[in-house]
Amino acid sequence: GESVGLHLPTLSVQEGDNSIINCAYSNSASDYFIWYKQESGKGPQFIIDIRSNMDKRQGQRVTVLLNKTVKHLSLQIAATQPGDSAVYFCAEIEGYSTLTFGKGTMLLVSP
Amino acid sequence: NAGVTQTPKFQVLKTGQSMTLQCAQDMNHNSMYWYRQDPGMGLRLIYYSASEGTTDKGEVPNGYNVSRLNKREFSLRLESAAPSQTSVYFCASSADRGREQYFGPGTRLTVT
Repeated sequence: GESVGLHLPTLSVQEGDNSIINCAYSNSASDYFIWYKQESGKGPQFIIDIRSNMDKRQGQRVTVLLNKTVKHLSLQIAATQPGDSAVYFCAEIEGYSTLTFGKGTMLLVSP
Repeated sequence: NAGVTQTPKFQVLKTGQSMTLQCAQDMNHNSMYWYRQDPGMGLRLIYYSASEGTTDKGEVPNGYNVSRLNKREFSLRLESAAPSQTSVYFCASSADRGREQYFGPGTRLTVT
């Protein structure tokens, strides 16, 4: 719920703007990188993933970019809507291991 | 399809009490997980079960035990609760030990 957002980096945007949420990852051997969205009071929800041999993947209104040189991942949300307000987590996975989640970024969308 | 369900939604325990958090999924998934979420800490894996009959420790297993009762159900037990276990607990499942996990609504646990 609300306590998830304490101490998190926060991105504030206006409705209709494009949002870019960034994530630095640590494991250069990770095979997949994933974005999850967590709305207040709910569990995280899978948004999109990207394989490590790709540098860009597009979904519905979202694009994920991967820069392995600097170990950086970003999630771009086009035409941000109030319903996009949430905490966004990046995660990584290597082989058959388990997901490792980042600490999250809060996105606030004002009308 | 209910997806992943968790009970209870809220719980308050005194230090030293025990309790079991219940989780069930109806998606016929092989893998199930328990996470805890603390402010500013993201999600940390407590235990997971890659398939029915197996369980493994995650990043923060101390003070917890789990049981994969059958393919649908995966429970988390606190034998002697401590204030440091105050957290929001999420159960999740996935088709395989994979990247697309489905999460339950969470249990908010307070230990006083």
